Amino acid sequence: GQQLNQSPQSMFIQEGEDVSMNCTSSSIFNTWLWYKQEPGEGPVLLIALYKAGELTSNGRLTAQFGITRKDSFLNISASIPSDVGIYFCAGANGGATNKLIFGTGTLLAVQP
Amino acid sequence: NAGVTQTPKFRVLKTGQSMTLLCAQDMNHEYMYWYRQDPGMGLRLIHYSVGEGTTAKGEVPDGYNVSRLKKQNFLLGLESAAPSQTSVYFCASSFIAGRGETQYFGPGTRLLVL
Repeated sequence: GQQLNQSPQSMFIQEGEDVSMNCTSSSIFNTWLWYKQEPGEGPVLLIALYKAGELTSNGRLTAQFGITRKDSFLNISASIPSDVGIYFCAGANGGATNKLIFGTGTLLAVQP
Repeated sequence: NAGVTQTPKFRVLKTGQSMTLLCAQDMNHEYMYWYRQDPGMGLRLIHYSVGEGTTAKGEVPDGYNVSRLKKQNFLLGLESAAPSQTSVYFCASSFIAGRGETQYFGPGTRLLVL
């Protein structure tokens, strides 16, 4: 089945550093979503993007919907220890089923 | 408002045993989904439902059955569990699809099949 390519697979950074991750697809999407999953929990939505070129922020998080509609980027500024988790991108085209296609995830570890 | 809840949280089965995972949502969502998550992979869709009384196959439906008898509940069944079904199972729900409406996830059910 289709999965989105997400990179990097993992990141180990110091507190205070900025983080960038991206997600690419061979097909276009009308919606890009970014989720965070903490240990033992289900994914929680961080940011939703609905328009090509859109740049949206949520606190220290900023995500962009790529102009080609085949990619998306997530940046985290001034990372803190509670940013630890796995970050997933997901693409969707809405329609009758609203099915999401998920990326493989980026594991983020932040050292205090 | 509990959101999406899943029962049980953990389960250990022997090969060949059956079980049912229950998902409940109190947000009046039309759409519900069952995913499995395996190490190093994203979530893969098993089955989904676009409304009460309807179900459809997702990406990896083999070995699973589902039912949506009530709008708020979505059941995932394993008739004869296999070790390959060891995984973490997530349920999600969303409003009627429009432009890729966001899905809200439950906390997961961790299943080990021996």
